[in-house]
Amino acid sequence: EPEVTQTPSHQVTQMGQEVILRCVPISNHLYFYWYRQILGQKVEFLVSFYNNEISEKSEIFDDQFSVERPDGSNFTLKIRSTKLEDSAMYFCASSTTFVGSNSPLHFGNGTRLTVT
Amino acid sequence: KQEVTQIPAALSVPEGENLVLNCSFTDSAIYNLQWFRQDPGKGLTSLLLIQSSQREQTSGRLNASLDKSSGRSTLYIAASQPGDSATYLCAVRPSNDYKLSFGAGTTVTVRA
Repeated sequence: EPEVTQTPSHQVTQMGQEVILRCVPISNHLYFYWYRQILGQKVEFLVSFYNNEISEKSEIFDDQFSVERPDGSNFTLKIRSTKLEDSAMYFCASSTTFVGSNSPLHFGNGTRLTVT
Repeated sequence: KQEVTQIPAALSVPEGENLVLNCSFTDSAIYNLQWFRQDPGKGLTSLLLIQSSQREQTSGRLNASLDKSSGRSTLYIAASQPGDSATYLCAVRPSNDYKLSFGAGTTVTVRA
């Protein structure tokens, strides 16, 4: 069964450094998402992306965050200058169809980001 | 703002017992509700998706019900096995946007 794949599985970085988290969504999916889960807290929405632009973003997704689909297969989340509170598990997800559908979201296994 | 609550936070049962996991949400204007399984340090595996027009959805030993008007969903797992031990999350999708609102999850331990 097709999967959403994320790399790396674990990333350690120093405060103030830039990080790029990578995702390969399922190939025929059109909608892409980033969520995050701080240890012990709920999974929370960051951003959705369709047709090479952001569809929606949460209050968490400030100017330090950006997303990109640099080619036909990858979807990336960049954090420009990491803070300690950015430490979390970041999940990429994708879904197949347009607004108004009931297609489920398929999640990757996540990248655990540790900011020291 | 949608609030999703899952009770209980943790549950421990002997193997073979049926599991009942509850999810409640404050805004009934939802498009669908999805149940996920999360193993420690791992991603989210989609188990079932119930559309707002449906009352229940079944897959194998799993059955999920939805009462949209009262803001509740229940996940039933029949004849539990140690391999069912995991955290189960419910997530609701609003009618007007893409983002899912998650509950905090119920951590299930099935004792052999």
